[in-house]
Amino acid sequence: EDQVTQSPEALRLQEGESSSLNCSYTVSGLRGLFWYRQDPGKGPEFLFTLYSAGEEKEKERLKATLTKKESFLHITAPKPEDSATYLCAVQLLFSGGYNKLIFGAGTRLAVHP
Amino acid sequence: ETGVTQTPRHLVMGMTNKKSLKCEQHLGHNAMYWYKQSAKKPLELMFVYSLEERVENNSVPSRFSPECPNSSHLFLHLHTLQPEDSALYLCASSQEIGLAQYQETQYFGPGTRLLVL
Repeated sequence: EDQVTQSPEALRLQEGESSSLNCSYTVSGLRGLFWYRQDPGKGPEFLFTLYSAGEEKEKERLKATLTKKESFLHITAPKPEDSATYLCAVQLLFSGGYNKLIFGAGTRLAVHP
Repeated sequence: ETGVTQTPRHLVMGMTNKKSLKCEQHLGHNAMYWYKQSAKKPLELMFVYSLEERVENNSVPSRFSPECPNSSHLFLHLHTLQPEDSALYLCASSQEIGLAQYQETQYFGPGTRLLVL
């Protein structure tokens, strides 16, 4: 069964304290891995797409990496405004020839001054 | 308006009510999705429409009825809901090309927070 697991479930950091979030997956036929940020009461906001093992992408203090079994979202010197829930999703091809996203439960990040 | 919009943002309804959620995308996309997000659970895909045709119905109870009149609008009609249906309902859109040879990004709306009493 296709599965996406994110860890930790929640993470509390001090401002400037770098860390990493993990997304591990067990799927057949990965077509892409997506990272989204979700603020309370809002919809997910797209951050990155990774397509193949070894690929890396960066945006401000965030860097996403991908291996054959997992992805990491590295947060360097975080600020309070980075506090949010970070969602990971894998994209699969399902019957009918259309893409489908399977999401993890997310990591709730809180960055304190 | 830009991106994906949803109305209403908040909805409280009784179990015998009938209501509808509306989603509109301003991105020129040809695929639209309904997701359900419950507390501490992953987003669950409910329905997928591509070129206004429903291509996925993910074992959703019949008390949820989707409608896609054109590629920019998507509705979710609700009737005789249960308290466990209370959740954040998210709409998303993407541009699907041919046989999904490209991994197109889904863009989400702000959601409708639904409470069923």
